[in-house]
Amino acid sequence: EAQVTQNPRYLITVTGKKLTVTCSQNMNHEYMSWYRQDPGLGLRQIYYSMNVEVTDKGDVPEGYKVSRKEKRNFPLILESPSPNQTSLYFCASSPPTPLAQYFGPGTRLTVL
Amino acid sequence: AQSVTQLDSQVPVFEEAPVELRCNYSSSVSVYLFWYVQYPNQGLQLLLKYLSGSTLVKGINGFEAEFNKSQTSFHLRKPSVHISDTAEYFCAVTPSNRDDKIIFGKGTRLHILP
Repeated sequence: EAQVTQNPRYLITVTGKKLTVTCSQNMNHEYMSWYRQDPGLGLRQIYYSMNVEVTDKGDVPEGYKVSRKEKRNFPLILESPSPNQTSLYFCASSPPTPLAQYFGPGTRLTVL
Repeated sequence: AQSVTQLDSQVPVFEEAPVELRCNYSSSVSVYLFWYVQYPNQGLQLLLKYLSGSTLVKGINGFEAEFNKSQTSFHLRKPSVHISDTAEYFCAVTPSNRDDKIIFGKGTRLHILP
């Protein structure tokens, strides 16, 4: 089954404790992206990747890092999480451009 | 720069009634247009997209949208809604000269009333 998986689905952590949210897709897609969803703000793009070793900033990249060492994986790293990063995070993938994205189920992150 | 405006944050509609969810965009270049749906506690799913050609686009679950270039709009319609259509709907655009970018609207929550 074609899918995008994210782990963990739920995470509660404390300020400053480094964390990684994993994202994996099994469709051999070139394009992958991370979004955060906040009430009243819709989805905002954090980072995206056009292919292995190619990443670029989205609209809200501050406080986040990504890497794309393999085509199927695109982890999101929060080196020093802060409460304003409490949000619902989605990973997505698509063939070369974001013209038909497949979304993961989401990761709900709470930073205390 | 591009922007997307979804004029209604919430739309209540009775079951079996028609619905229109409005989306307007701003862009100095031509764009590709999308509607995504997010059912409760799920990720987003592509409903339909406009890339080129016919301005009337049909999607899944009986939805359709019409691209109106002069009004810079891409409104989503369904002639008869069901309880199962309860969800949040997002309009999105990608500029044709930067097809690595996508900008989402803030979403419209569709409430189906019995």
